[in-house]
Amino acid sequence: QQQVKQSPQSLIVQKGGISIINCAYENTAFDYFPWYQQFPGKGPALLIAIRPDVSEKKEGRFTISFNKSAKQFSLHIMDSQPGDSATYFCAAKRSTLTFGKGTMLLVSP
Amino acid sequence: KAGVTQTPRYLIKTRGQQVTLSCSPISGHRSVSWYQQTPGQGLQFLFEYFSETQRNKGNFPGRFSGRQFSNSRSEMNVSTLELGDSALYLCASSYQGEHTEAFFGQGTRLTVV
Repeated sequence: QQQVKQSPQSLIVQKGGISIINCAYENTAFDYFPWYQQFPGKGPALLIAIRPDVSEKKEGRFTISFNKSAKQFSLHIMDSQPGDSATYFCAAKRSTLTFGKGTMLLVSP
Repeated sequence: KAGVTQTPRYLIKTRGQQVTLSCSPISGHRSVSWYQQTPGQGLQFLFEYFSETQRNKGNFPGRFSGRQFSNSRSEMNVSTLELGDSALYLCASSYQGEHTEAFFGQGTRLTVV
């Protein structure tokens, strides 16, 4: 049973464009929703996180939008850059982290 | 502050052997979690240790085990290795565990032949 569904699997965006990755969860007990960025050969790095009492959180070019009633949350990367090319994972946590399957983002120059 | 350190970075083992992986958390962090990452299954939770006690356990067979020492360093052990155990094993540390940020190491790439 996949508790966190992430889409799309892969995404190609032009430099300067907006990258949008979506996640949906099932377990309403989740109370912490982080996004991780992973480069090849590296471990995941925490990018930004949100709690369900907030509908949006912005840090620089990265924004999380959270819809508690729909049990969905998304990551928006504004002004996407080639250096943003990586795999992005959403996750949801109650006592442990449950990850989505990941989205491979390629930002073309 | 040094990050999460995992050793070794790469391992090649034969089916049936056992392996021990090590994780040194960020200084001051008391919670260590282990994850298995594969292309097919993604990131899957193995177990979490907090103050030397296993606090949570994922859905993996008993061949996978772990422990945590008084200095918060953790080891995980996989016995009777199978080809399907080939994966990137990631360790994450956090200050308290349940409601704090988790920081990952670079992982140990295990290949079983």
